Amino acid sequence: EAGVAQSPRYKIIEKRQSVAFWCNPISGHATLYWYQQILGQGPKLLIQFQNNGVVDDSQLPKDRFSAERLKGVDSTLKIQPAKLEDSAVYLCASSLVGGAGFYNEQFFGPGTRLTVL
Amino acid sequence: GENVEQHPSTLSVQEGDSAVIKCTYSDSASNYFPWYKQELGKRPQLIIDIRSNVGEKKDQRIAVTLNKTAKHFSLHITETQPEDSAVYFCAASGAGSYQLTFGKGTKLSVIP
Repeated sequence: EAGVAQSPRYKIIEKRQSVAFWCNPISGHATLYWYQQILGQGPKLLIQFQNNGVVDDSQLPKDRFSAERLKGVDSTLKIQPAKLEDSAVYLCASSLVGGAGFYNEQFFGPGTRLTVL
Repeated sequence: GENVEQHPSTLSVQEGDSAVIKCTYSDSASNYFPWYKQELGKRPQLIIDIRSNVGEKKDQRIAVTLNKTAKHFSLHITETQPEDSAVYFCAASGAGSYQLTFGKGTKLSVIP
């Protein structure tokens, strides 16, 4: 089966510019996650969607980051305006919906490497 | 919220030796613990996971152990091979949230 798709793979922008990332999850996966992975660290969850609803966005810097998942499939993550510290790899992941404590594997996309100059 | 500590940050072993990576978690309600392998420039991939109702799980050369009382879990890789060289991340997920909190990673180098 096709995996999680992300684009672009690389992006270089100046600080204070805006940028958007796109993610297409595995077909049938209701849950979608956006992570930020700073160099040398583990992925940090930014936002979790189930279908087109937000489950958790407590770690999303809402003054500059926004995300949406229209129609419960594709998702976009936007940063406006970007700061130097936003330089990172942005990973999208998807999974089947869990239930009654049953955890499903999260499948990751290849990521978008963002450099803010 | 959950906090996951991972040690060591780097690990070098000779080919054929064993490697052990340890993680501790803070939330006693966490009940799912996956391990991901990330090769340079590639996406994280699940290699093994364990649920809180199990103390140990094995898959060929890889095993994971869980001590709920002490709130720590470990990854064991036996008969290491050069292709095992990568960054390994542990993670923990709380009851019902399905969200993962990751450790900072361990860079494993297997020396031929």
